[in-house]
Amino acid sequence: SQQGEEDPQALSIQEGENATMNCSYKTSINNLQWYRQNSGRGLVHLILIRSNEREKHSGRLRVTLDTSKKSSSLLITASRAADTASYFCATADNAGNNRKLIWGLGTSLAVNP
Amino acid sequence: DGGITQSPKYLFRKEGQNVTLSCEQNLNHDAMYWYRQDPGQGLRLIYYSQIVNDFQKGDIAEGYSVSREKKESFPLTVTSAQKNPTAFYLCASSQTALNQPQHFGDGTRLSIL
Repeated sequence: SQQGEEDPQALSIQEGENATMNCSYKTSINNLQWYRQNSGRGLVHLILIRSNEREKHSGRLRVTLDTSKKSSSLLITASRAADTASYFCATADNAGNNRKLIWGLGTSLAVNP
Repeated sequence: DGGITQSPKYLFRKEGQNVTLSCEQNLNHDAMYWYRQDPGQGLRLIYYSQIVNDFQKGDIAEGYSVSREKKESFPLTVTSAQKNPTAFYLCASSQTALNQPQHFGDGTRLSIL
């Protein structure tokens, strides 16, 4: 079952601009993860944020988590054409069924040169 | 370099035929997963395995089978009972099944002849 919902479904920006993607979820979580998928390739893990964390940074990536609103955002600063990809959030369920991640449907990001 | 290798990259199935997708990892991970991805969709879990000689059904296991005889290998068989097998199949692994980031192969694209 899919619990994460990314917003927007598609995003098109110019190189150098910032890109923000949002993820909402429904149940209590242990952690939330963001992944990138280039066209025709496998997913690559970007960042994991635990339920007791509010913000995390990795290079040009900034992730926030608001457990009261059951939402997370991924910000990519100073975007590059190479950032063009689909971005997925995945939640680690905290309700006992913690042996699998629950995936969103993804945001398709296009960064135009 | 450690990683996950999926083969073949493209596979064609005839009506009534079973086909097997290979997944090998040298990351020394205990847990392995098979996902199905349809165009514009997120990932749906087919099967997962937390340890050698053990595996569990995911959300869409009907028409698929797996084995886990070695830690490094988790092959997926798409049987003739799977009536709509055309999709992108992704194999992943993680250190354990509990909330860990997953590492992905580059997928196998299966089509029907």
